[in-house]
Amino acid sequence: GQQLNQSPQSMFIQEGEDVSMNCTSSSIFNTWLWYKQDPGEGPVLLIALYKAGELTSNGRLTAQFGITRKDSFLNISASIPSDVGIYFCAVDRGSTLGRLYFGRGTQLTVWP
Amino acid sequence: NAGVTQTPKFQVLKTGQSMTLQCAQDMNHEYMSWYRQDPGMGLRLIHYSVGAGITDQGEVPNGYNVSRSTTEDFPLRLLSAAPSQTSVYFCASKEGGGGEQYFGPGTRLTVT
Repeated sequence: GQQLNQSPQSMFIQEGEDVSMNCTSSSIFNTWLWYKQDPGEGPVLLIALYKAGELTSNGRLTAQFGITRKDSFLNISASIPSDVGIYFCAVDRGSTLGRLYFGRGTQLTVWP
Repeated sequence: NAGVTQTPKFQVLKTGQSMTLQCAQDMNHEYMSWYRQDPGMGLRLIHYSVGAGITDQGEVPNGYNVSRSTTEDFPLRLLSAAPSQTSVYFCASKEGGGGEQYFGPGTRLTVT
């Protein structure tokens, strides 16, 4: 099956630091998504990217859709304790049917 | 709107037992899907539906059945539970075309 390589697997940072995580694929995808999952809950969409080279921000979050359409990164600036959770990249397999492939996730821990 | 609701929240089954995981959405979304999440893994698509009466297999469909008799409901059936089906199950829905996919809170299933 399709593999999305997401790194790092986990991060332990201090409040106020910036965070960067990325996701790569061997295949081209036309939609890249970043989700956050809090403990005991379902994933929630943070940012959706639809165009190669696109850079999109949502508050302290910034994500980019790689120009090759095979990668994406997510940056979080000035982290706060509520940023703790698991961050997933995902791609839509096409046709906007919502059939998503997910990366394995980045577990983020923020120390106060 | 309640969004996407799932019941039960927790379930323990013995090997060979059957059960149905319930999923409902009140957003009149056309597309609904089921994912499973295993430790250290991203979510993997089990089955999906593009409308009432229409279902198709995802990435890991074996051991699961689905049906979609109404727009609102998309139950997932395990006919003969196996320990390999121990997982957290998430239901999701989205409207047709583009748009965000909304996830339910999950059902944590343990098969002994």
